[in-house]
Amino acid sequence: DAMVIQNPRYQVTQFGKPVTLSCSQTLNHNVMYWYQQKSSQAPKLLFHYYDKDFNNEADTPDNFQSRRPNTSFCFLDIRSPGLGDAAMYLCATSSWDRASSYEQYFGPGTRLTVT
Amino acid sequence: GEDVEQSLFLSVREGDSSVINCTYTDSSSTYLYWYKQEPGAGLQLLTYIFSNMDMKQDQRLTVLLNKKDKHLSLRIADTQTGDSAIYFCAESFNYGQNFVFGPGTRLSVLP
Repeated sequence: DAMVIQNPRYQVTQFGKPVTLSCSQTLNHNVMYWYQQKSSQAPKLLFHYYDKDFNNEADTPDNFQSRRPNTSFCFLDIRSPGLGDAAMYLCATSSWDRASSYEQYFGPGTRLTVT
Repeated sequence: GEDVEQSLFLSVREGDSSVINCTYTDSSSTYLYWYKQEPGAGLQLLTYIFSNMDMKQDQRLTVLLNKKDKHLSLRIADTQTGDSAIYFCAESFNYGQNFVFGPGTRLSVLP
């Protein structure tokens, strides 16, 4: 089945220690997103890639970076995690073309704990 | 700016119908969506409706759209305990470049 895969599902890192979360997709979608979701809140968009074009949300901290080496993979790098970065990180994909209904398909998420 | 609002909580009895409501502000929305999120999981797309439609039915789910009032609802018939989750309303516009989620409605299904 075509899907969005996130690894790992659970990640524990130490305060200030860089961490990378990964996402892959078999949907061949041209757009990939990273969201941060804290408990009982809506997902908050961090950035998205339209093909190789990177789009950062204005309020995304510089501590968060992303890489998309090819269509299938996208990475979220947190350079110096703070306690406030503990959250669920969701990857999503979408297809932007003339026939699209622009729905987003989500992975299962990576729960990040910062100790 | 764009805003999507939902009531935060809804409780229903098993077997009853649930109606989850959503209002949005951007009249240029092209599609509106309903997502379901179970504890510790990602968001699952349930259904979506194009903005020039007023109703869409898919098995137990009925989506109603009142474009004049910018009001969207999701009706779940014969609600089951497995329907307990958070339901997010979302809208897209500007050819998908803008995608806005509501705060989510926590649905509790009582036996």
